[in-house]
Amino acid sequence: NAGVMQNPRHLVRRRGQEARLRCSPVKGHSHVYWYRQLPEEGLKFMVYLQKENIIDESGMPKERFSAEFPKEGPSILRIQQVVRGDSAAYFCASSPGEEAFFGQGTRLTVV
Amino acid sequence: EDQVTQSPEALRLQEGESSSLNCSYTVSGLRGLFWYRQDPGKGPEFLFTLYSAGEEKEKERLKATLTKKESFLHITAPKPEDSATYLCAVLGSGNTGKLIFGQGTTLQVKP
Repeated sequence: NAGVMQNPRHLVRRRGQEARLRCSPVKGHSHVYWYRQLPEEGLKFMVYLQKENIIDESGMPKERFSAEFPKEGPSILRIQQVVRGDSAAYFCASSPGEEAFFGQGTRLTVV
Repeated sequence: EDQVTQSPEALRLQEGESSSLNCSYTVSGLRGLFWYRQDPGKGPEFLFTLYSAGEEKEKERLKATLTKKESFLHITAPKPEDSATYLCAVLGSGNTGKLIFGQGTTLQVKP
């Protein structure tokens, strides 16, 4: 059984570039969450999606960040015009209900 | 506002020295309290879900308990491979499914 798959595992971007992070949930899970873990900080909720719908984006910065979970294909977290402060580990989780299972994360470094 | 506080921040134990990690929470209507283990550079690994006060769950050397205000993760006769950061998170009835995480307790078990 494949768990939550995230890619890439590591991503380096220059300031001003775009970062695209992908997440394939566990087969059969219809809920996808994105969390961010800044250095020396805890995991912070960003967005909750179901297929083709954003359910809760209360943790997402208002500008430059967007997320989607299309009918076909992985969920995408997109960060436009990255800044140094975006450097963090981004985790995706999927859930069949209430228990969430996490991927290994994408570590974004902005140089 | 839902909040989770974990203590201590860091804990060093000798192999075989049992101890407990604390997770204090305030939440409007607890739907579930979750424990995760996170190894460096990895995603959180699901351990337990607790739903109501008085509930207990066990897995190998770990035992999680829940009261109305806090949860404990008891580690009995730990081994070096139990070294990791342990994360506590709550799911409240007032939100859409997002987990509120504590800062974690980093456990180091020395042989």
